[in-house]
Amino acid sequence: NAGVMQNPRHLVRRRGQEARLRCSPMKGHSHVYWYRQLPEEGLKFMVYLQKENIIDESGMPKERFSAEFPKEGPSILRIQQVVRGDSAAYFCASSPWTGTNEKLFFGSGTQLSVL
Amino acid sequence: AQTVTQSQPEMSVQEAETVTLSCTYDTSENNYYLFWYKQPPSRQMILVIRQEAYKQQNATENRFSVNFQKAAKSFSLKISDSQLGDTAMYFCAFMIPPGGGADGLTFGKGTHLIIQP
Repeated sequence: NAGVMQNPRHLVRRRGQEARLRCSPMKGHSHVYWYRQLPEEGLKFMVYLQKENIIDESGMPKERFSAEFPKEGPSILRIQQVVRGDSAAYFCASSPWTGTNEKLFFGSGTQLSVL
Repeated sequence: AQTVTQSQPEMSVQEAETVTLSCTYDTSENNYYLFWYKQPPSRQMILVIRQEAYKQQNATENRFSVNFQKAAKSFSLKISDSQLGDTAMYFCAFMIPPGGGADGLTFGKGTHLIIQP
């Protein structure tokens, strides 16, 4: 059973470009979380999605950031018109059920560098 | 809002020694979960140990154990017989079960643990 897969592992963008980060949850998991980790910081919650639904996006910036988790395919975190401050590691975690959701499995993250 | 504080940015011990990483948190909730995650240089977030707040017994996983003091809102991690492979960032994290008004984990800033040979 493959773990949570994130790609790309490293992504370089110039200011103003778009960044698309992909996350394939573990097989059978229908809940996905996205987190951002700035240098020397812990992970910060961004958004929580179920298939075709955004459950909680309270941690996501209101501008330029969006997330989706379609019925088929991976979850996508999209950052439009990237700025240098978006440079960070972005982690995805998946969970198998809503009962407690305390069993989160993390991917290895995507390191976004904005030039 | 919940906060998690790790007051030790970095710690260094000799191999085979015992080390304790501290974590305090602030919440008005009575039911919650606490976690310790390990992040080695590979960047993978690995769950080390988990504690349910309603359980008085401290969680243990092989060489890893916690000292959970609910009244003091303290959740320290003890690593016994430390090994070189334990070198990593360690993050303390907090979660309220669904329906508690928040989703996702709240993390501390981490402690960089270095095991010296």
